[in-house]
Amino acid sequence: QQPVQSPQAVILREGEDAVINCSSSKALYSVHWYRQKHGEAPIFLMILLKGGEQKGHDKISASFNEKKQQSSLYLTASQLSYSGTYFCGTVTGANNLFFGTGTRLTVIP
Amino acid sequence: DTAVSQTPKYLVTQMGNDKSIKCEQNLGHDTMYWYKQDSKKFLKIMFSYNNKELIINETVPNRFSPKSPDKAHLNLHINSLELGDSAVYFCASSQGGTGQPQHFGDGTRLSIL
Repeated sequence: QQPVQSPQAVILREGEDAVINCSSSKALYSVHWYRQKHGEAPIFLMILLKGGEQKGHDKISASFNEKKQQSSLYLTASQLSYSGTYFCGTVTGANNLFFGTGTRLTVIP
Repeated sequence: DTAVSQTPKYLVTQMGNDKSIKCEQNLGHDTMYWYKQDSKKFLKIMFSYNNKELIINETVPNRFSPKSPDKAHLNLHINSLELGDSAVYFCASSQGGTGQPQHFGDGTRLSIL
């Protein structure tokens, strides 16, 4: 039930953009996005509750395509502080949150 | 004030032992969770629990058991520890169930010798 994320890892220079994709084999009720820095706890970024919903704050946004059972996280004009591992989390009928395989993002000066 | 706190932060023990990890949240949330993060950084749900319902991930061995003395606490008890139990265990909480933002504790790094 674990969603699959792509890419597994990405390296960006400051100011570049990135897209992280999350794909599930099961129908989704909602999608969560979290960021985890090395040695720290995951931190909540946003939840998308409806198919087609898009959300964002600052320069990080996400979309949710319910029909395709996919979500994408968009990071624009990346900053050094964006470095970390990004996880999507999907809620299916079992009502548990299943985290994706993770995408390690590294932003370099 | 720490929102979700876990103790201990590090736990080193031998195979076969029984151990507990404690979790407390002061956010007034009604749902708490335990996750396991392995060496490949995969985060897996183990349990979610509120006053009414315990949802268990069916892949979790029955050596693992959650114990909730009250709404603000969800402890994890592990019997007969095995080498494969080595991981970081995260406690989390949310208000209103799985569909809401989850706040994580700092994790407990469990190492089995």
